[in-house]
Amino acid sequence: AQKVTQAQTEISVVEKEDVTLDCVYETRDTTYYLFWYKQPPSGELVFLIRRNSFDEQNEISGRYSWNFQKSTSSFNFTITASQVVDSAVYFCALSDTGRRALTFGSGTRLQVQP
Amino acid sequence: KAGVTQTPRYLIKTRGQQVTLSCSPISGHRSVSWYQQTPGQGLQFLFEYFSETQRNKGNFPGRFSGRQFSNSRSEMNVSTLELGDSALYLCASSLGPRENIQYFGAGTRLSVL
Repeated sequence: AQKVTQAQTEISVVEKEDVTLDCVYETRDTTYYLFWYKQPPSGELVFLIRRNSFDEQNEISGRYSWNFQKSTSSFNFTITASQVVDSAVYFCALSDTGRRALTFGSGTRLQVQP
Repeated sequence: KAGVTQTPRYLIKTRGQQVTLSCSPISGHRSVSWYQQTPGQGLQFLFEYFSETQRNKGNFPGRFSGRQFSNSRSEMNVSTLELGDSALYLCASSLGPRENIQYFGAGTRLSVL
């Protein structure tokens, strides 16, 4: 069975601080995909990134960066120089290649204070 | 390009009633999935439709059902509502079987009294 753990329930930082959201996953599949989504108060889940299990290269997109380590089954997300607009709930998710059903973690609520 | 559209945004029902939620996917997307989000259980997969056929189903009772139309629009139905069905129901669309990035709508918030 697949499982995604986001141990940080809530994180509060002050604007311009860097923050890392942790994600640990479990799967028996050798081929799988990892995702991060952002859920602002409006409720819509906003897609941020997809990574497949064969691509361990880290990725940077503006202030966002992702660190994928198969050895520790982790896919962590870092926001550099956080802004108030980054305040949201962030979800890490996992799917295998056969099914598109996403298994979500419990989410991390990020509050960025001005 | 318009995103995933879900209607209605809010619903209030009483126990025992049934409800139908609607989802219009992004233009050109042929796969639609439904998820339930509650404070206690988090985000859970309900089912997925492609080409009017259910392709995957999550671990939910038979009171939860869905369908997809030829234009890829989808509906989900919950019969004999229970208090525990109160949740945010999210619809997601993707291009098709070979593409697994799912784009979500804003959801329908269902309250069962």
